[in-house]
Amino acid sequence: NAGVTQTPKFQVLKTGQSMTLQCAQDMNHEYMSWYRQDPGMGLRLIHYSVGAGITDQGEVPNGYNVSRSTTEDFPLRLLSAAPSQTSVYFCASSYSAPRSSYNSPLHFGNGTRLTVT
Amino acid sequence: AQSVTQLDSHVSVSEGTPVLLRCNYSSSYSPSLFWYVQHPNKGLQLLLKYTSAATLVKGINGFEAEFKKSETSFHLTKPSAHMSDAAEYFCVVSGANAGGTSYGKLTFGQGTILTVHP
Repeated sequence: NAGVTQTPKFQVLKTGQSMTLQCAQDMNHEYMSWYRQDPGMGLRLIHYSVGAGITDQGEVPNGYNVSRSTTEDFPLRLLSAAPSQTSVYFCASSYSAPRSSYNSPLHFGNGTRLTVT
Repeated sequence: AQSVTQLDSHVSVSEGTPVLLRCNYSSSYSPSLFWYVQHPNKGLQLLLKYTSAATLVKGINGFEAEFKKSETSFHLTKPSAHMSDAAEYFCVVSGANAGGTSYGKLTFGQGTILTVHP
């Protein structure tokens, strides 16, 4: 059981380049999300999806695009990389979207460490 | 609106002594609260969650947390630290909106790094 798989593990980009971070889950989870982790700031939500064909913005969406064409995949696209996007990116999924009445646990990938020079 | 404050960025304990990681939250409505642990170069793993059933919540690896509404706190404790507990810990809140449900968003605290000395 692979869980949440993120690729690549490491990436170095030059300013202005574009790339896609891949995320796939094999648990048939409805909810998928992308976070970035920066020292002293915890995790901040970039984008999320509550099902195939449905996406929405989180706290820090600028400079990132997402799509959800299948239940399994939720790629994150950096359109024109900037040094401020140097961070560790985590993809997370759960059986259902976070709600006050019921919260299934998030399953995290192992992260992608991105450096933009 | 909701927020989470982890009161200590670093906590250092000796092996075998108690652990206390402090978390205060702010939420307009009844929140769900979580603690996650992150070991170096790994993703986050759920330790425990509170969703308004019992105020004292037991998690994995001997950790537990108590929800105190009057103090808006959800502190994480463990009676006896083990070397393998060294990691970063995150308190997370998922709050309700005016309609009584939240949807899609969790708020993470800044994290507490736990160091365990032999």
